[in-house]
Amino acid sequence: GAVVSQHPSWVICKSGTSVKIECRSLDFQATTMFWYRQFPKQSLMLMATSNEGSKATYEQGVEKDKFLINHASLTLSTLTVTSAHPEDSSFYICSARWTLSQYFGPGTRLTVL
Amino acid sequence: AQTVTQSQPEMSVQEAETVTLSCTYDTSESDYYLFWYKQPPSRQMILVIRQEAYKQQNATENRFSVNFQKAAKSFSLKISDSQLGDAAMYFCAYYGGSQGNLIFGKGTKLSVKP
Repeated sequence: GAVVSQHPSWVICKSGTSVKIECRSLDFQATTMFWYRQFPKQSLMLMATSNEGSKATYEQGVEKDKFLINHASLTLSTLTVTSAHPEDSSFYICSARWTLSQYFGPGTRLTVL
Repeated sequence: AQTVTQSQPEMSVQEAETVTLSCTYDTSESDYYLFWYKQPPSRQMILVIRQEAYKQQNATENRFSVNFQKAAKSFSLKISDSQLGDAAMYFCAYYGGSQGNLIFGKGTKLSVKP
């Protein structure tokens, strides 16, 4: 149990376009989901906490207008990178909490040209 | 604020041998949870083991076990009979009641030599 899926696994887009990443909890309901960003050879950096039915809570320094998060249901959260720029290229990972443990999606590699 | 420290950026172990990864943390909370996550080259984060602070008994999961020293705020991971598939980044993480998210250490890269 406690499987989290993420789609797409890899996306390339042009500068100025928007990209949406989906995160789903497949076999459990998640009232809280988390979005992380990971740079090469570094630890995970929390971007925001997503709560079902309410606004996301963003970490300091994360632009909420650039990284739009929507948690529309108990099994789905989406991260939209708006007006993407090359510096947004990174590995994005979502996570959901179940029974006090956090389970992670496989990640999305975003490359902005 | 809570912090998690992994002092070993890299470790190496011979296949079939035992290795211990270190983790220390700082907190003023009495109720919390500690985790070890594995991130192989695929970059999928995998939960290895969880320890509840209120439990005195060290958690074990097959070849993985922890040495939880609450007073010393130490939480090390022991991998027995190391296998090539154990090669990965290992992250120690803390979860307490006052914040809603995991706090990660910087990770330890484990190499397994055949």
